[in-house]
Amino acid sequence: AQSVAQPEDQVNVAEGNPLTVKCTYSVSGNPYLFWYVQYPNRGLQFLLKYITGDNLVKGSYGFEAEFNKSQTSFHLKKPSALVSDSALYFCAVLLSGGYNKLIFGAGTRLAVHP
Amino acid sequence: GAVVSQHPSRVICKSGTSVKIECRSLDFQATTMFWYRQFPKQSLMLMATSNEGSKATYEQGVEKDKFLINHASLTLSTLTVTSAHPEDSSFYICSARDLRGGSSGANVLTFGAGSRLTVL
Repeated sequence: AQSVAQPEDQVNVAEGNPLTVKCTYSVSGNPYLFWYVQYPNRGLQFLLKYITGDNLVKGSYGFEAEFNKSQTSFHLKKPSALVSDSALYFCAVLLSGGYNKLIFGAGTRLAVHP
Repeated sequence: GAVVSQHPSRVICKSGTSVKIECRSLDFQATTMFWYRQFPKQSLMLMATSNEGSKATYEQGVEKDKFLINHASLTLSTLTVTSAHPEDSSFYICSARDLRGGSSGANVLTFGAGSRLTVL
């Protein structure tokens, strides 16, 4: 079955330190991968996506993600965390087979402490 | 950029009543919209795919008679929760894909701000 997993419910990091939010996927064919962020009582905001090409993808707000085909991972990273980065982060994969549907991981809550 | 508007943002209703949530693409046309449901501290669950001019496609386990979806125009999809009960209380989020740059699943899905439904 095609799916995406976020193994950590919560990630805690001190402001100024690098952060990583993990994501692994299981899809048939070449994956289309996305990261979204959700602030309290809000919809999701797009951060970045991987479709093809360079494995390191740069996105909004200084975030980047690295596509690793051998490890089937697409971890979200940022060199220096801000308190304002605290939010809920979702990794998502586009289902192949013409379904054109986005399936989300369980989400990881990022808490950046001053 | 693409903007999706959802209304209302919050609604409280009595058990047994019906509630309608609107999802509008403000600056693009969307032949397809998606409705998600999110429980507290949980991920988004795809409920259905709303298709303009035709019937919605529901995910397994989602009651189509409970959650009525109408996509009457290229910019509006509505979700009606019929005979709502407390267990229907949730955060409902719609999304649409701007295809102005070409039709591709790689196009980014734009989300509305969500509608929090509380059924008393």
